[in-house]
Amino acid sequence: IAGITQAPTSQILAAGRRMTLRCTQDMRHNAMYWYRQDLGLGLRLIHYSNTAGTTGKGEVPDGYSVSRANTDDFPLTLASAVPSQTSVYFCASSDSRFTPLHFGNGTRLTVT
Amino acid sequence: AQSVSQHNHHVILSEAASLELGCNYSYGGTVNLFWYVQYPGQHLQLLLKYFSGDPLVKGIKGFEAEFIKSKFSFNLRKPSVQWSDTAEYFCAVNPTSGNTGKLIFGQGTTLQVKP
Repeated sequence: IAGITQAPTSQILAAGRRMTLRCTQDMRHNAMYWYRQDLGLGLRLIHYSNTAGTTGKGEVPDGYSVSRANTDDFPLTLASAVPSQTSVYFCASSDSRFTPLHFGNGTRLTVT
Repeated sequence: AQSVSQHNHHVILSEAASLELGCNYSYGGTVNLFWYVQYPGQHLQLLLKYFSGDPLVKGIKGFEAEFIKSKFSFNLRKPSVQWSDTAEYFCAVNPTSGNTGKLIFGQGTTLQVKP
């Protein structure tokens, strides 16, 4: 079934540790995004990539990095996790910058 | 800064009641508008979208929304809700100018439908 796969589904992480959240899509969409969802704040864009080889900063990029080596994969890395990064992370993709997003099932991350 | 505001944070309705969820955005240029729904434990799914044309758009599951440009609003409506509509609803705006291609989401509205 075509779509977006995120891994892991959930993770408990000690503060200071490094963590990479994985995102893979098989729809050949050009654009990919990482959002975090926090209660009362909705979804906020962390980083995005309009096409393979390019990335950009979203609304809340600090503490996160991304890479886009190919069309399908868009990993999100927390270099040194902090408790404020406890959140649900959603990866999304679209076939252009202005078409509706397809979302993955999310990764629930708890930083202790 | 661009922003999206959803006026209702938590709405409780009985089945068959009518629904209207408010959404206002602050951006002076042309925008694309979306409503997404997140059922409990699931990811976000597109309910409906507005790019251009008829400002009254119809989406899945009987939902519709009206774009009123003069009011910077894109309210979501459903004439008769069902228990299965219990979910969180997000309004989102995408400015069509610039190169960011990002969506700006509202805070979300939790809808609880009582059977």
